[in-house]
Amino acid sequence: QVQLVESGGGVVQPGRSLRLSCEASGFTLSHYAMHWVRQAPGKGLEWVAVTMYDGRNENYADSVKGRFTISRDNSKNTLYLQVDSLRTDDTAVYYCARPLGKRGFDVWGQGTLVTVSS
Amino acid sequence: DIQLTQSPSFLSASVGDRVTITCRASQDISSYLAWYQQKPGNAPKLLIYAASTLQSGVPSRFSGSGSGTEFTLTISSLQPEDFATYYCHQLSSYWLTFGGGTRVEIK
Repeated sequence: QVQLVESGGGVVQPGRSLRLSCEASGFTLSHYAMHWVRQAPGKGLEWVAVTMYDGRNENYADSVKGRFTISRDNSKNTLYLQVDSLRTDDTAVYYCARPLGKRGFDVWGQGTLVTVSS
Repeated sequence: DIQLTQSPSFLSASVGDRVTITCRASQDISSYLAWYQQKPGNAPKLLIYAASTLQSGVPSRFSGSGSGTEFTLTISSLQPEDFATYYCHQLSSYWLTFGGGTRVEIK
């Protein structure tokens, strides 16, 4: 079935880096733009980044621009988020999500928790 | 960035109640609005897209309306499984945004 599975979260000190992965199954990743969305503990949803079908174009929320990099390997059906220069306010569950065109996100992963703490 | 303001942020209701949640956009987003339901520990679930189209498999007691800057999500008869947090989401601009959420709790 159509599924997204994130991995790579963990506990990390401020200023360090992580690479999050999102493996897609049940559909062809190269047919879709893909997004990352995060949710801080007890807070709402925050859109983070998007990468277009071929990975040649991306866009970021102002809060992460210059520190996070979204990428994809369509041959591996996998989406990535490189998170650098982490801050305590980056602590969140990070979800990858598949868009239904411009109509909403119809498939979400289960999320991976990133905790930034000294 | 386009701001989305949801109201109320919290509501207490009983099973069988009709519930309406409002989402206001800071500028015209046409019908590029989606609604999600999220239960604790779970990812959001798409309920409504294009402001008023019910996602496949979603019960018909959920409905959406609006265009431009004002949108509503209505649950016609609240069921026990509907107690959750609801978010609106605009996909009009290249920088996507979500509303702050509405938590629906049992009265």
